[in-house]
Amino acid sequence: DGGITQSPKYLFRKEGQNVTLSCEQNLNHDAMYWYRQDPGQGLRLIYYSQIVNDFQKGDIAEGYSVSREKKESFPLTVTSAQKNPTAFYLCASTASGSTYEQYFGPGTRLTVT
Amino acid sequence: SQQGEEDPQALSIQEGENATMNCSYKTSINNLQWYRQNSGRGLVHLILIRSNEREKHSGRLRVTLDTSKKSSSLLITASRAADTASYFCATGRAAGNKLTFGGGTRVLVKP
Repeated sequence: DGGITQSPKYLFRKEGQNVTLSCEQNLNHDAMYWYRQDPGQGLRLIYYSQIVNDFQKGDIAEGYSVSREKKESFPLTVTSAQKNPTAFYLCASTASGSTYEQYFGPGTRLTVT
Repeated sequence: SQQGEEDPQALSIQEGENATMNCSYKTSINNLQWYRQNSGRGLVHLILIRSNEREKHSGRLRVTLDTSKKSSSLLITASRAADTASYFCATGRAAGNKLTFGGGTRVLVKP
């Protein structure tokens, strides 16, 4: 089965702790993306990577960090510097260098108290 | 800021009726895409229309694009209860395939 997996589905953390969200894809896609979605809102781009070992900041990168050591994996760390981390986080991937559609994972709902 | 803005924000219709939602954007685009999101789930791609196209169909979906007005519409014909979801437009600019999403239209189809 080809697709994108995100784990866990629900994540709870105490304020001040860093937390890493997992995103894995077996679609052989070059580009991967992290979005944040707040209730009733659209998606905002946090970080994206078009190739291994390279990534760029999106519109709301402050308080987040990523790595892209393998083509299949693009983990997102929500650091304690992120002032309002509670949100729904979505990972996506696409074949790079084209206008192709993005394939989304099922999302991780992070709650920080 | 959001590139695309959907209108209306919410829509409630009876099963069998058509649902129309609009998307406006601000800058030039390479393509415009529509996605569906069921509550608490990831997004699913519905249809892509390129900047040199004016209309596209896929099953019960019809998308139009007017680049002079920087707007697009998504029509779902003969709606079903299963069409209940949020619908988002997303614009792709010429450089790479980074997308910018609008705020979405929440559609409720009542049986």
